[in-house]
Amino acid sequence: DQQVKQNSPSLSVQEGRISILNCDYTNSMFDYFLWYKKYPAEGPTFLISISSIKDKNEDGRFTVFLNKSAKHLSLHIVPSQPGDSAVYFCAASSGGSNYKLTFGKGTLLTVNP
Amino acid sequence: DSGVTQTPKHLITATGQRVTLRCSPRSGDLSVYWYQQSLDQGLQFLIQYYNGEERAKGNILERFSAQQFPDLHSELNLSSLELGDSALYFCASSVGGTGIEKLFFGSGTQLSVL
Repeated sequence: DQQVKQNSPSLSVQEGRISILNCDYTNSMFDYFLWYKKYPAEGPTFLISISSIKDKNEDGRFTVFLNKSAKHLSLHIVPSQPGDSAVYFCAASSGGSNYKLTFGKGTLLTVNP
Repeated sequence: DSGVTQTPKHLITATGQRVTLRCSPRSGDLSVYWYQQSLDQGLQFLIQYYNGEERAKGNILERFSAQQFPDLHSELNLSSLELGDSALYFCASSVGGTGIEKLFFGSGTQLSVL
């Protein structure tokens, strides 16, 4: 049972445009969400997170939006750069006392020059 | 560089064999996590240790076991290996091991079972 779903295996955008990566979750107990980025031959690296008490969190070119009623979050990258080309994983947990982080399958983002 | 070291980077073995994957966490991190990434799968949580004790267990097979030593490094032991165990195994670490901390991942061990 995939509790965190990234339904788009891949996404291709032009440099300078917006990239929108989507993530859906089914577990209503999830209240903390993170995005990780992974380059080939490297481990995932933390990108940005959001708590369920917020609906938006911004860090430079990266913004994560959370819609709790729809159990949906999205990562916006503006403007997209070729160096952003990587696999992006959405992850969720049910708070500080639950140590398990559940990941989606990832979305491969390709930013074309 | 995340500061998390995993060895070996690649491992090729045969079915039925036993292997040990090693992980050294970032300096100061007390918690170690193991994840498995199979083809076309996301990162599957296997197990977590905090300061030497098992804290959480995920979809870890009985043929797999792990431990965290007093110096905080961790080992993941995989035995009676099957073809389906071929995957990328990641170790991650964090300071306190709560569900709201960001994890620092190693570059992984690619296991190929032939």
